[in-house]
Amino acid sequence: GDQVEQSPSALSLHEGTGSALRCNFTTTMRAVQWFQQNSRGSLINLFYLASGTKENGRLKSTFNSKESYSTLHIRDAQLEDSGTYFCAAEEYGSSGNKLIFGIGTLLSVKP
Amino acid sequence: EAAVTQSPRNKVAVTGGKVTLSCNQTNNHNNMYWYRQDTGHGLRLIHYSYGAGSTEKGDIPDGYKASRPSQENFSLILELATPSQTSVYFCASGGGLGGRDQDTQYFGPGTRLLVL
Repeated sequence: GDQVEQSPSALSLHEGTGSALRCNFTTTMRAVQWFQQNSRGSLINLFYLASGTKENGRLKSTFNSKESYSTLHIRDAQLEDSGTYFCAAEEYGSSGNKLIFGIGTLLSVKP
Repeated sequence: EAAVTQSPRNKVAVTGGKVTLSCNQTNNHNNMYWYRQDTGHGLRLIHYSYGAGSTEKGDIPDGYKASRPSQENFSLILELATPSQTSVYFCASGGGLGGRDQDTQYFGPGTRLLVL
């Protein structure tokens, strides 16, 4: 949706390198989720954040509600990290914990 | 990890026909959701539910109905399918307990629908 602006739209990395994906929000969000969509189309949960930073292996994510952004850092990229990464956010005041999705970042990891 | 299953995984329907997509979750989550995914749009919310007997409109509900007969099951119904409803449909469930990580949404594998 327009409230979630995701960048870059596409990214190419060599194995072993890293980069950051970013989502900017145009309204106040209370939580964010990050997903990886793999080659089979499955959506894999990476992180849920209501604030602060979480780390899991080679991935680290930060959510700053006050400054309206979230980032996903990938380090030491591997071939299996290829896929489309989505951020999705819950807007403050909305009911049902509904998620608003960005349009995704297509990540290609090359040997 | 929460388990969400969808059936069928692939479906071909004719214009004007009725299509029912089914979703089942075994994690006792309160909330369930139906999204569709189209190129250039990411995922968009069609309908959602707070629990058995509840259905709510999402952002793009036109042309779709939903049914939540039990905590575990949530169906999406296309009474009169149109080619514009060709898409990949995802079901998700989440705690809906208002408690941070418990609100994490878990997604099913998706259903590819082609309306001819």
